Amino acid sequence: QVQLQQSGAEVKEPGASMRVSCRTSGYNFGDYYIHWVRQAPGQGLEWMGWINPTTDAHPNTAATDYAQNFQDRVSMSTDTSITTFYLDLSRLQFDDTAVYFCARGSRISKIWPTDPFDVWGQGTMVTVSS
Amino acid sequence: EIVLTQSPGTLSVSPGERATLSCRASQSVTSVYLAWYQQKRGQPPRLLIYSAATRATGIPDRFSGTGSGTDFTLTISRLEPEDFAVYYCQLYGVAPWTFGQGTKVEIK
Repeated sequence: QVQLQQSGAEVKEPGASMRVSCRTSGYNFGDYYIHWVRQAPGQGLEWMGWINPTTDAHPNTAATDYAQNFQDRVSMSTDTSITTFYLDLSRLQFDDTAVYFCARGSRISKIWPTDPFDVWGQGTMVTVSS
Repeated sequence: EIVLTQSPGTLSVSPGERATLSCRASQSVTSVYLAWYQQKRGQPPRLLIYSAATRATGIPDRFSGTGSGTDFTLTISRLEPEDFAVYYCQLYGVAPWTFGQGTKVEIK
């Protein structure tokens, strides 16, 4: 079945960078957008952005779209050889402490993702602490 | 940026009763891009409803969604023990992909 398996919990110091991975299985890696969403302890859900794992279908379309709140310190990438997506967040602050989720969105046959998230990773807890 | 406001913040309901959750948008949205999720403690969200009224695969028919414009509703017709959770509405397909702040459905 379709699965998104995320990396384990991490503790980071303020100012450091983090990387969370999301390994996919059960479907063709290059067929779907992946989104990243975070959830601070006891709080709601915050969308961080999406990545298109390939631009072959629409060469002139963007590979990523980031939420404005994270524009200058977020990066999303892929490693096709191991069907894995990555979320990188730099210059961490205490309020970046959260569970980070990857979630599957639209098929990439759509120029722009316009579907909700049908499959989610289990989440990765990142704690920013000195 | 469109803001989604959910009400109430907490809903206390007895098993077997009906629960009605509201999601109001700060400006009119196309209902094609409104979804509802359920989240239980320690788990990722689960997609319940998309396009405001279409149940996702495997979702029981006691869950229903309605609404258009700025006002959307999720109704759980007869609460089962496993339905006590937090529910989020989401505007998708338009950046930024916004979530409401959530409604917690608790056992009365």
